[in-house]
Amino acid sequence: GENVEQHPSTLSVQEGDSAVIKCTYSDSASNYFPWYKQELGKRPQLIIDIRSNVGEKKDQRIAVTLNKTAKHFSLHITETQPEDSAVYFCAASIDSGGYQKVTFGTGTKLQVIP
Amino acid sequence: DAGVIQSPRHEVTEMGQEVTLRCKPISGHNSLFWYRQTMMRGLELLIYFNNNVPIDDSGMPEDRFSAKMPNASFSTLKIQPSEPRDSAVYFCASRYTDTQYFGPGTRLTVL
Repeated sequence: GENVEQHPSTLSVQEGDSAVIKCTYSDSASNYFPWYKQELGKRPQLIIDIRSNVGEKKDQRIAVTLNKTAKHFSLHITETQPEDSAVYFCAASIDSGGYQKVTFGTGTKLQVIP
Repeated sequence: DAGVIQSPRHEVTEMGQEVTLRCKPISGHNSLFWYRQTMMRGLELLIYFNNNVPIDDSGMPEDRFSAKMPNASFSTLKIQPSEPRDSAVYFCASRYTDTQYFGPGTRLTVL
Protein backbone atom coordinates (compact mmCIF):
# COMPACT_ATOMS: atom_id res chain seq x y z
CA GLY A 1 0.00 0.00 0.00
CA GLU A 2 0.86 3.67 -0.07
CA ASN A 3 3.39 5.03 2.43
CA VAL A 4 3.65 8.78 3.05
CA GLU A 5 6.56 10.24 4.99
CA GLN A 6 6.47 13.81 6.26
CA HIS A 7 9.27 16.01 7.58
CA PRO A 8 9.95 17.74 9.83
CA SER A 9 7.72 16.62 12.68
CA THR A 10 8.07 20.01 14.36
CA LEU A 11 9.00 23.38 12.92
CA SER A 12 9.46 26.73 14.63
CA VAL A 13 9.79 29.92 12.60
CA GLN A 14 9.79 33.60 13.36
CA GLU A 15 6.77 35.56 12.27
CA GLY A 16 7.30 36.78 8.72
CA ASP A 17 9.68 33.98 7.77
CA SER A 18 8.85 31.14 5.41
CA ALA A 19 8.02 27.58 6.37
CA VAL A 20 8.53 24.51 4.23
CA ILE A 21 7.13 21.05 4.91
CA LYS A 22 8.16 18.09 2.78
CA CYS A 23 6.50 14.79 2.00
CA THR A 24 7.39 11.73 -0.01
CA TYR A 25 5.10 8.98 -1.23
CA SER A 26 5.70 5.48 -2.47
CA ASP A 27 2.90 4.59 -4.89
CA SER A 28 3.40 6.09 -8.34
CA ALA A 29 -0.35 5.64 -8.98
CA SER A 30 -1.17 8.39 -6.46
CA ASN A 31 -2.63 11.31 -8.35
CA TYR A 32 -4.10 13.71 -5.83
CA PHE A 33 -2.22 15.42 -2.99
CA PRO A 34 -4.19 17.47 -0.45
CA TRP A 35 -2.77 19.38 2.49
CA TYR A 36 -4.76 19.79 5.68
CA LYS A 37 -4.36 22.18 8.59
CA GLN A 38 -5.51 21.09 12.02
CA GLU A 39 -5.66 23.60 14.84
CA LEU A 40 -5.61 22.35 18.41
CA GLY A 41 -8.82 20.54 19.26
CA LYS A 42 -10.30 21.16 15.82
CA ARG A 43 -10.93 19.10 12.72
CA PRO A 44 -8.49 18.84 9.78
CA GLN A 45 -9.36 21.37 7.10
CA LEU A 46 -8.17 21.42 3.51
CA ILE A 47 -5.91 24.37 2.74
CA ILE A 48 -4.59 23.50 -0.70
CA ASP A 49 -4.37 20.52 -3.03
CA ILE A 50 -2.61 19.54 -6.22
CA ARG A 51 -3.17 16.96 -8.91
CA SER A 52 -0.45 14.91 -10.53
CA ASN A 53 -0.74 16.72 -13.84
CA VAL A 54 0.32 20.01 -12.23
CA GLY A 55 3.77 20.91 -10.88
CA GLU A 56 2.88 23.87 -8.70
CA LYS A 57 -0.15 25.61 -7.28
CA LYS A 58 -0.44 28.85 -5.30
CA ASP A 59 -3.09 30.38 -3.14
CA GLN A 60 -2.02 33.67 -1.60
CA ARG A 61 0.70 32.87 0.96
CA ILE A 62 0.49 29.12 0.43
CA ALA A 63 2.02 27.10 -2.39
CA VAL A 64 2.46 23.44 -3.09
CA THR A 65 4.97 21.86 -5.44
CA LEU A 66 4.99 18.33 -6.81
CA ASN A 67 7.84 16.33 -8.29
CA LYS A 68 6.27 13.15 -9.69
CA THR A 69 9.57 11.65 -10.76
CA ALA A 70 11.04 11.89 -7.30
CA LYS A 71 7.66 11.32 -5.60
CA HIS A 72 8.11 14.44 -3.51
CA PHE A 73 5.68 17.22 -2.72
CA SER A 74 6.09 20.21 -0.48
CA LEU A 75 4.06 22.92 1.22
CA HIS A 76 5.44 26.43 1.31
CA ILE A 77 4.02 29.12 3.58
CA THR A 78 5.43 32.61 3.11
CA GLU A 79 5.19 35.59 5.47
CA THR A 80 4.07 33.35 8.30
CA GLN A 81 1.68 34.69 10.91
CA PRO A 82 0.88 33.43 14.42
CA GLU A 83 -2.46 32.11 13.18
CA ASP A 84 -0.55 29.74 10.89
CA SER A 85 0.47 27.80 14.01
CA ALA A 86 -1.14 24.37 13.73
CA VAL A 87 -0.43 20.79 12.70
CA TYR A 88 -0.19 20.32 8.96
CA PHE A 89 -0.84 16.98 7.27
CA CYS A 90 0.08 16.00 3.77
CA ALA A 91 -1.72 13.17 2.05
CA ALA A 92 -1.43 11.10 -1.09
CA SER A 93 -4.49 9.75 -2.77
CA ILE A 94 -5.29 7.34 -5.50
CA ASP A 95 -8.40 8.81 -7.05
CA SER A 96 -9.85 6.78 -9.85
CA GLY A 97 -13.38 6.31 -11.07
CA GLY A 98 -15.00 7.54 -7.88
CA TYR A 99 -12.74 5.46 -5.66
CA GLN A 100 -10.44 7.47 -3.40
CA LYS A 101 -8.04 6.07 -0.87
CA VAL A 102 -6.12 8.68 1.08
CA THR A 103 -2.98 8.02 3.10
CA PHE A 104 -1.93 10.76 5.49
CA GLY A 105 1.52 11.76 6.60
CA THR A 106 2.33 11.88 10.29
CA GLY A 107 1.93 15.63 10.58
CA THR A 108 4.14 18.67 11.18
CA LYS A 109 3.57 20.88 14.16
CA LEU A 110 4.29 24.43 13.03
CA GLN A 111 4.89 27.12 15.61
CA VAL A 112 5.10 30.72 14.45
CA ILE A 113 6.84 32.85 17.05
CA PRO A 114 5.61 36.44 17.20
CA ASP B 1 -24.98 23.63 4.96
CA ALA B 2 -24.20 22.48 8.49
CA GLY B 3 -21.23 20.42 7.37
CA VAL B 4 -20.50 16.90 8.56
CA ILE B 5 -22.23 16.25 11.87
CA GLN B 6 -20.92 13.79 14.45
CA SER B 7 -22.35 12.68 17.75
CA PRO B 8 -21.56 12.45 20.52
CA ARG B 9 -18.72 14.97 20.69
CA HIS B 10 -17.31 13.34 23.79
CA GLU B 11 -17.80 9.83 25.11
CA VAL B 12 -16.41 8.35 28.28
CA THR B 13 -17.08 4.69 28.88
CA GLU B 14 -15.75 1.75 30.77
CA MET B 15 -13.81 -1.11 29.29
CA GLY B 16 -16.09 -3.79 27.91
CA GLN B 17 -18.96 -1.48 27.10
CA GLU B 18 -20.39 -1.00 23.63
CA VAL B 19 -19.77 2.35 21.99
CA THR B 20 -21.64 3.73 18.98
CA LEU B 21 -20.43 6.79 17.13
CA ARG B 22 -22.69 8.54 14.64
CA CYS B 23 -22.11 10.58 11.52
CA LYS B 24 -24.30 12.56 9.16
CA PRO B 25 -22.44 13.45 5.95
CA ILE B 26 -22.97 16.60 3.94
CA SER B 27 -26.08 16.27 1.82
CA GLY B 28 -25.23 15.15 -1.71
CA HIS B 29 -21.86 13.69 -0.81
CA ASN B 30 -21.56 10.09 -1.97
CA SER B 31 -18.44 8.98 -0.11
CA LEU B 32 -17.95 8.66 3.63
CA PHE B 33 -14.81 7.92 5.58
CA TRP B 34 -14.15 7.00 9.20
CA TYR B 35 -10.75 7.93 10.66
CA ARG B 36 -9.10 7.45 14.02
CA GLN B 37 -6.53 9.93 15.33
CA THR B 38 -4.05 9.27 18.14
CA MET B 39 -0.75 10.82 19.06
CA MET B 40 1.05 7.55 18.47
CA ARG B 41 -0.46 6.49 15.15
CA GLY B 42 -1.60 9.78 13.65
CA LEU B 43 -4.60 9.84 11.35
CA GLU B 44 -5.66 6.36 10.22
CA LEU B 45 -8.38 5.48 7.74
CA LEU B 46 -10.65 2.83 9.23
CA ILE B 47 -13.28 2.33 6.54
CA TYR B 48 -14.57 3.98 3.40
CA PHE B 49 -18.09 3.86 1.93
CA ASN B 50 -19.07 4.84 -1.59
CA ASN B 51 -22.79 5.18 -2.30
CA ASN B 52 -23.50 3.52 1.07
CA VAL B 53 -21.46 0.44 0.18
CA PRO B 54 -18.28 -0.39 2.16
CA ILE B 55 -15.42 -0.24 -0.32
CA ASP B 56 -12.35 -0.62 1.84
CA ASP B 57 -12.37 -1.76 5.46
CA SER B 58 -8.74 -2.84 5.59
CA GLY B 59 -8.05 -0.24 8.25
CA MET B 60 -10.54 -1.60 10.73
CA PRO B 61 -8.29 -2.79 13.54
CA GLU B 62 -10.15 -5.92 14.54
CA ASP B 63 -13.51 -7.63 14.75
CA ARG B 64 -14.53 -5.49 17.68
CA PHE B 65 -15.01 -2.64 15.21
CA SER B 66 -17.91 -2.52 12.79
CA ALA B 67 -19.40 0.21 10.61
CA LYS B 68 -22.66 0.59 8.77
CA MET B 69 -24.20 3.05 6.38
CA PRO B 70 -27.90 2.20 6.10
CA ASN B 71 -28.65 5.25 3.94
CA ALA B 72 -26.95 8.22 2.32
CA SER B 73 -27.42 10.46 5.33
CA PHE B 74 -26.28 8.31 8.24
CA SER B 75 -23.41 6.09 9.30
CA THR B 76 -22.36 4.44 12.54
CA LEU B 77 -19.09 3.11 13.89
CA LYS B 78 -19.50 0.59 16.67
CA ILE B 79 -16.91 -0.79 19.06
CA GLN B 80 -17.95 -3.83 21.05
CA PRO B 81 -16.41 -4.52 23.51
CA SER B 82 -14.39 -1.34 23.95
CA GLU B 83 -10.86 -1.36 25.35
CA PRO B 84 -8.66 1.42 26.78
CA ARG B 85 -6.45 1.33 23.66
CA ASP B 86 -9.47 2.43 21.62
CA SER B 87 -9.26 5.85 23.25
CA ALA B 88 -8.80 8.34 20.42
CA VAL B 89 -10.55 11.01 18.41
CA TYR B 90 -12.73 9.49 15.72
CA PHE B 91 -13.43 11.62 12.67
CA CYS B 92 -16.00 11.12 9.98
CA ALA B 93 -15.45 12.79 6.61
CA SER B 94 -17.51 13.00 3.44
CA ARG B 95 -16.79 14.03 -0.11
CA TYR B 96 -18.43 14.56 -3.46
CA THR B 97 -15.50 15.26 -5.79
CA ASP B 98 -11.91 15.55 -4.57
CA THR B 99 -12.08 17.22 -1.20
CA GLN B 100 -12.87 15.41 2.00
CA TYR B 101 -14.70 17.49 4.60
CA PHE B 102 -14.17 16.40 8.16
CA GLY B 103 -16.66 16.44 10.97
CA PRO B 104 -15.77 17.87 14.39
CA GLY B 105 -14.80 14.44 15.72
CA THR B 106 -15.80 12.34 18.72
CA ARG B 107 -13.30 12.17 21.55
CA LEU B 108 -13.59 8.67 23.01
CA THR B 109 -12.12 7.76 26.36
CA VAL B 110 -12.30 4.16 27.50
CA LEU B 111 -11.45 3.72 31.16
